[in-house]
Amino acid sequence: NAGVTQTPKFQVLKTGQSMTLQCAQDMNHNSMYWYRQDPGMGLRLIYYSASEGTTDKGEVPNGYNVSRLNKREFSLRLESAAPSQTSVYFCASSQGGKRGYEQYFGPGTRLTVT
Amino acid sequence: AQRVTQPEKLLSVFKGAPVELKCNYSYSGSPELFWYVQYSRQRLQLLLRHISRESIKGFTADLNKGETSFHLKKPFAQEEDSAMYYCASTRGSQGNLIFGKGTKLSVKP
Repeated sequence: NAGVTQTPKFQVLKTGQSMTLQCAQDMNHNSMYWYRQDPGMGLRLIYYSASEGTTDKGEVPNGYNVSRLNKREFSLRLESAAPSQTSVYFCASSQGGKRGYEQYFGPGTRLTVT
Repeated sequence: AQRVTQPEKLLSVFKGAPVELKCNYSYSGSPELFWYVQYSRQRLQLLLRHISRESIKGFTADLNKGETSFHLKKPFAQEEDSAMYYCASTRGSQGNLIFGKGTKLSVKP
C-alpha cells in the first residue's frame, strides 16, 4: 500500500501561472482533504470531499478549485497563482463516518510562487 | 467558532526531562481528539487518538472534559522526539479535523 501519494513534490511558478496538484489514495477511503501549511499558521483546510461526487469549501478556499475525479483521486487547481499561495500543500484521506475520523497524509508539495 | 489552541509555539527541553505539550479545545460536545507528529520535512503521522487510550513511543494523552484539554506527555524526552506536534479535534458531527497551530519540540542532548 502506497497510502496517500502527491505529485509533484516541488514546484516553482510565476505569478499568474496555473497548475494542478494531484493526490491519490489506495485505502478505499471515502473522504479526502487539501490543506496548506504555513509557518505559525498550522494546517488550514482549503477544500474537502466527504464522498465521491461532493466537494466543499474549507477555511481558505479563495484562489483554489478542486475536482474529485473518482474515489481515489482528488486534485487541487490554482488558476492564477499568487505569491500568497507559496506554501506546503498536503493531501489527506479518511474513512469518514463515525469511526473514521483519523486522517492519513501525503508527503506534501512544496510550492513557491515568484 | 471551534478552536484548538496550542499555547506554546516552541518547547525546548533537555534529554531525559519530562515533556508536556498543551492542547485545549473549544467544542462543547464529545469530540475525538488526536495528536499528530511531523518530523523534519516529512508528512504528518498520527501519534495518538484519545479513544485508543494507548501509549505510543512513550507518549500518553488524557482527555479532560472538564478542562477541555488533551495534553501530550512523556516522562523522559529523547532527542528523536524533536519534531512538530499538532493537536486536532473533530469538528462537530462532520468528519473534518480542526488543527492547532502546532508546537515545535526541541530536545537538547
